[in-house]
Amino acid sequence: SQQGEEDPQALSIQEGENATMNCSYKTSINNLQWYRQNSGRGLVHLILIRSNEREKHSGRLRVTLDTSKKSSSLLITASRAADTASYFCATADRFLSGGYQKVTFGIGTKLQVIP
Amino acid sequence: NAGVMQNPRHLVRRRGQEARLRCSPMKGHSHVYWYRQLPEEGLKFMVYLQKENIIDESGMPKERFSAEFPKEGPSILRIQQVVRGDSAAYFCASSPGTGVSYEQYFGPGTRLTVT
Repeated sequence: SQQGEEDPQALSIQEGENATMNCSYKTSINNLQWYRQNSGRGLVHLILIRSNEREKHSGRLRVTLDTSKKSSSLLITASRAADTASYFCATADRFLSGGYQKVTFGIGTKLQVIP
Repeated sequence: NAGVMQNPRHLVRRRGQEARLRCSPMKGHSHVYWYRQLPEEGLKFMVYLQKENIIDESGMPKERFSAEFPKEGPSILRIQQVVRGDSAAYFCASSPGTGVSYEQYFGPGTRLTVT
């Protein structure tokens, strides 16, 4: 099965509530990134967390990484209707020869924030 | 600084025709990645290119698909003799290079529909 599987696949919450999405992966990684995709649009990079980091914040976003459990979570606090989108985690493998990383995406979590 | 540009945004082709998708990376970026997103799925890596070189094409179908990134001009993803199963969103990303904690910047995607 693929690297980076998000859970839940769909989430519906009221505006103002917190939304938590989880991502599990299978192999060792160099870093993990979260992206947002609005319906029919491209990807927007949200946050990157390195394998030696445990937690990172950016505005209303909080990301945690547990390399022992091979899992990450994305928390969106005080959600807004505009947060409605699909959220993907993407894992970057260790550097391959030539110094680049292959990024693998999960299937995403669809978040709906109800006004 | 303009972001990653892709054109066309929407492309309709009949079975058997050729599809050409173009990607202009961000200014100063010399690394380009192509991904395919089937409906209701995450992005799947297809190919990674640097100027005039294909570095990793492990995600590309063996037949009908090809990619290039010439010294001058955009990167091109070419699909010959398209079939209905090629209908998907094709995203291009670019990065400034390799190294620790780089991120890929994504374009808006090209939505290919094969009729």
